[in-house]
Amino acid sequence: GAVVSQHPSRVICKSGTSVKIECRSLDFQATTMFWYRQFPKQSLMLMATSNEGSKATYEQGVEKDKFLINHASLTLSTLTVTSAHPEDSSFYICSARTRDRESGYTFGSGTRLTVV
Amino acid sequence: AQSVTQPDIHITVSEGASLELRCNYSYGATPYLFWYVQSPGQGLQLLLKYFSGDTLVQGIKGFEAEFKRSQSSFNLRKPSVHWSDAAEYFCAVGDSGTYKYIFGTGTRLKVLA
Repeated sequence: GAVVSQHPSRVICKSGTSVKIECRSLDFQATTMFWYRQFPKQSLMLMATSNEGSKATYEQGVEKDKFLINHASLTLSTLTVTSAHPEDSSFYICSARTRDRESGYTFGSGTRLTVV
Repeated sequence: AQSVTQPDIHITVSEGASLELRCNYSYGATPYLFWYVQSPGQGLQLLLKYFSGDTLVQGIKGFEAEFKRSQSSFNLRKPSVHWSDAAEYFCAVGDSGTYKYIFGTGTRLKVLA
């Protein structure tokens, strides 16, 4: 089945630095990838939608200059948290959509970001 | 507006007992409906999905869900719970146009030995 590899699984960074999270579709081409953020004991909130070769579409309230998304190929999307602050600490999860609509989405295993 | 409600934040059941997790949605058309399971610190695993057809859907790990249009519900069931089923369960509605998901707030399942 479709597999999405997300890494790193955990990252600790200092306040003010930037962190890049990668999401790769291993055995399929992902035309669209989604980035979610999950606060402790809460649900997933969609941050942005990235389509290969075009600019990402951000949800209301998400700072596009802080959360940079790049989807340069059909198998790779990256989320860069720029100038991270402790309030950016969260669990970030990507998901990818295959060309087959009825396959649903495949989720990565998530990245736990801690900003100290 | 589209929304998904999971009324139960926590549920505790004994191993071997039956389980039903509730999910209600609000959506303008026939929705795509999903149930996902998340273990601590992990991503989401798809249990089952409904797009159309038979309203009783079978999934992995012995789970099933029934789509009831009249009640706007998509409840998840399992006849006999195993200790390994302890996890967080999310119901989601998928938009057929934008492919965006809306997730419920999740139900945390605890299984007593």
